[in-house]
Amino acid sequence: ETGVTQTPRHLVMGMTNKKSLKCEQHLGHNAMYWYKQSAKKPLELMFVYNFKEQTENNSVPSRFSPECPNSSHLFLHLHTLQPEDSALYLCASSQDLPGVKTQYFGPGTRLLVL
Amino acid sequence: AQKITQTQPGMFVQEKEAVTLDCTYDTSDPSYGLFWYKQPSSGEMIFLIYQGSYDQQNATEGRYSLNFQKARKSANLVISASQLGDSAMYFCAMREDTGPWDNYGQNFVFGPGTRLSVLP
Repeated sequence: ETGVTQTPRHLVMGMTNKKSLKCEQHLGHNAMYWYKQSAKKPLELMFVYNFKEQTENNSVPSRFSPECPNSSHLFLHLHTLQPEDSALYLCASSQDLPGVKTQYFGPGTRLLVL
Repeated sequence: AQKITQTQPGMFVQEKEAVTLDCTYDTSDPSYGLFWYKQPSSGEMIFLIYQGSYDQQNATEGRYSLNFQKARKSANLVISASQLGDSAMYFCAMREDTGPWDNYGQNFVFGPGTRLSVLP
């Protein structure tokens, strides 16, 4: 059983829709991440939250809006997406202490924008 | 410039044989970590093994071992006794221990991946 869960697992939405992706980690970590994985492209880091504060935003378009209400939950709010936003969105978490900082991933949400 | 290079887009291996997946990296940071992840068709990224830049010995985890050659900046993954369930994408990733204090060492860079197919 994974320590990081994501819902929904699959999502189809039109370009005018508003939807949210949810991530929850049960590992007691204090850092959470959103990644985008498109076909034939390396995994792209989108956002980093450390102790609920956003510390990284890798030039992500404003149609993606993250929210981290606490260290266990992370959301990605989606609105007016484009077809090229279709991808696998992965959430990860890690413990922000000196040392390994392995990131543990959820199963991902497969998003299709029509 | 590519920070992580995986030159093998696809690999085939016979069941029960060993296979090596290549990974080279580029960093000027003396402190960094190297990771391998497995991604089956279900999509989840599964952490396999970690090697720190200061670790003297190669990391091993069960059937996985990491052939770390620091001077050559390579971190190849060796899977011994391949199983059908090993068929998946494999990603090499690096964490550099630089950056502002508030995101120190949190940014992972992933390679493009290698698709491994284990043949019966």
